[in-house]
Amino acid sequence: TQLLEQSPQFLSIQEGENLTVYCNSSSVFSSLQWYRQEPGEGPVLLVTVVTGGEVKKLKRLTFQFGDARKDSSLHITAAQTGDTGLYLCAGANQGAQKLVFGQGTRLTINP
Amino acid sequence: NAGVTQTPKFQVLKTGQSMTLQCAQDMNHEYMSWYRQDPGMGLRLIHYSVGAGITDQGEVPNGYNVSRSTTEDFPLRLLSAAPSQTSVYFCASSRRVGAEQYFGPGTRLTVT
Repeated sequence: TQLLEQSPQFLSIQEGENLTVYCNSSSVFSSLQWYRQEPGEGPVLLVTVVTGGEVKKLKRLTFQFGDARKDSSLHITAAQTGDTGLYLCAGANQGAQKLVFGQGTRLTINP
Repeated sequence: NAGVTQTPKFQVLKTGQSMTLQCAQDMNHEYMSWYRQDPGMGLRLIHYSVGAGITDQGEVPNGYNVSRSTTEDFPLRLLSAAPSQTSVYFCASSRRVGAEQYFGPGTRLTVT
């Protein structure tokens, strides 16, 4: 059972546009991570958020953890073709030993 | 420092065959895990280990066995391969479950 729902599942936009992808759950997470995966490779960590309401910025990427620690968003400003990839969120429950992944958002930035 | 290594990179099996996917890490990480990735399904946890000698089941453990005799190695065994096990398998390691996961390059398995 997937505990994390990502939306949209697919997103194709033009270079220069802004976008937001979402990661939602009914469960509370002690921490939430965002990964980016390119074809033929394993996921690579972008950011970890641990505090409700936390906002982290990584150049043109802005990550937010919901106040209740049940959801997160990733906003990309002025998307570039190099942002193309599969974006995955992953959550760890308090006291649990498992990291659960969402199904991913496949992002395509067109030149 | 090689990070997380997985072998083989590609494998084709016939239904009913068994095999072991190898995973090793040289970062002295306690936490290791196996995921499978299917189109539209993200990463689903098969088995995980919080340290040598300790393993537990994830979301989709049926048809797979694991062992953790050393900190470095975490092999995944397919007991009797089925077409439903056709997937890309990723091994990952980290200091703990909520820390950064380091992934191997993956093994693409096809069962015919």
